[in-house]
Amino acid sequence: DGGITQSPKYLFRKEGQNVTLSCEQNLNHDAMYWYRQDPGQGLRLIYYSQIVNDFQKGDIAEGYSVSREKKESFPLTVTSAQKNPTAFYLCASFSVNTQYFGPGTRLTVL
Amino acid sequence: AQSVAQPEDQVNVAEGNPLTVKCTYSVSGNPYLFWYVQYPNRGLQFLLKYITGDNLVKGSYGFEAEFNKSQTSFHLKKPSALVSDSALYFCAVRPLAGYQKVTFGTGTKLQVIP
Repeated sequence: DGGITQSPKYLFRKEGQNVTLSCEQNLNHDAMYWYRQDPGQGLRLIYYSQIVNDFQKGDIAEGYSVSREKKESFPLTVTSAQKNPTAFYLCASFSVNTQYFGPGTRLTVL
Repeated sequence: AQSVAQPEDQVNVAEGNPLTVKCTYSVSGNPYLFWYVQYPNRGLQFLLKYITGDNLVKGSYGFEAEFNKSQTSFHLKKPSALVSDSALYFCAVRPLAGYQKVTFGTGTKLQVIP
């Protein structure tokens, strides 16, 4: 997990609320990613960013939004439009053909 | 489209016995292949990767993996399993060229029995 921090570790949200998950890295990596993990489904790509001020939708972007204003930071907002947001969210960076993951945030919708 | 298959949801092995966790892949062109391990409520930890060269790749914690191009497989192996190896293992692939999208398998839970 070294080099990438995610906060909070656990997050509870009421239906209809937007929440933002933090991801920070001190590895000086250009590319960053957000994945969602559900039991038995592996990791699914939500958004990725290959450079500051640029990001692209992944396979399941609906109901999510991101920004990349700084190289070190790639926050993910889970909006009220996301129908089933309860999941484990993983942030990653990429360099020298390897992805490095943060410790994850577990989001629960009450 | 690229894909990864991990055909076993769970693998059980006795402590001290050899273990194998299977992975097959599909990708255009030559692949980069990866294995990651995940402990409960933690992020993924990198174990090893294949890019080019020797088909047998050695990684962290005594794990190794064998790349087989004709069978499009990249099975994870360890000669002697430890109870502490019990975790969730993910295989992943990305194409050698192009943008850096990595596709993950659904994961295999390894249970090492004392």
